[in-house]
Amino acid sequence: AQSVTQLDSQVPVFEEAPVELRCNYSSSVSVYLFWYVQYPNQGLQLLLKYLSGSTLVESINGFEAEFNKSQTSFHLRKPSVHISDTAEYFCAVSDRGGSYIPTFGRGTSLIVHP
Amino acid sequence: EADIYQTPRYLVIGTGKKITLECSQTMGHDKMYWYQQDPGMELHLIHYSYGVNSTEKGDLSSESTVSRIRTEHFPLTLESARPSHTSQYLCASRGTGGTEAFFGQGTRLTVV
Repeated sequence: AQSVTQLDSQVPVFEEAPVELRCNYSSSVSVYLFWYVQYPNQGLQLLLKYLSGSTLVESINGFEAEFNKSQTSFHLRKPSVHISDTAEYFCAVSDRGGSYIPTFGRGTSLIVHP
Repeated sequence: EADIYQTPRYLVIGTGKKITLECSQTMGHDKMYWYQQDPGMELHLIHYSYGVNSTEKGDLSSESTVSRIRTEHFPLTLESARPSHTSQYLCASRGTGGTEAFFGQGTRLTVV
């Protein structure tokens, strides 16, 4: 079984400031790692994923996340946020074989102030 | 772009009514999931399916049922709605060999 811990329920930040959303996971097997974003009244959209290879993965809109196996972490970062980044962010894991059922964290609400 | 649709988007219904939340995907994905989402909580898996005629209960105890008669369709039914069923319900799918899940826009259910 896997579990995901998102340490911050809410992260307020000013526009153009850097931000880090933290995610730790536990699993007894190898996993895939994901960040999803949810805008108000919408479903979840994939932001980025780690499957294998380079531990640093990037999204098309400037977010990046780094897989750290020793710390079992997959923190999400952006060097300069925009108002439009205000949303709920979910970290997720799924095992590489077997059930492929994604397990999600509680989400972190990123609030970008002007 | 993912093609997975949920209807209705919003539903307010009285206690004791039977309701069905619809979920359809046009991607031919074999795996489908229903999650329940409440503010500040993890997404809780309530049902999943690996393919036609395959359905399983998830981690969260639920009074709902699902069916998977066609690959593209995975409806969720509540036989007798209660206020405790008030929540957002998210449907997702994933293809064979795929890694990430694709989500519908959700159904926000309010039982009064």
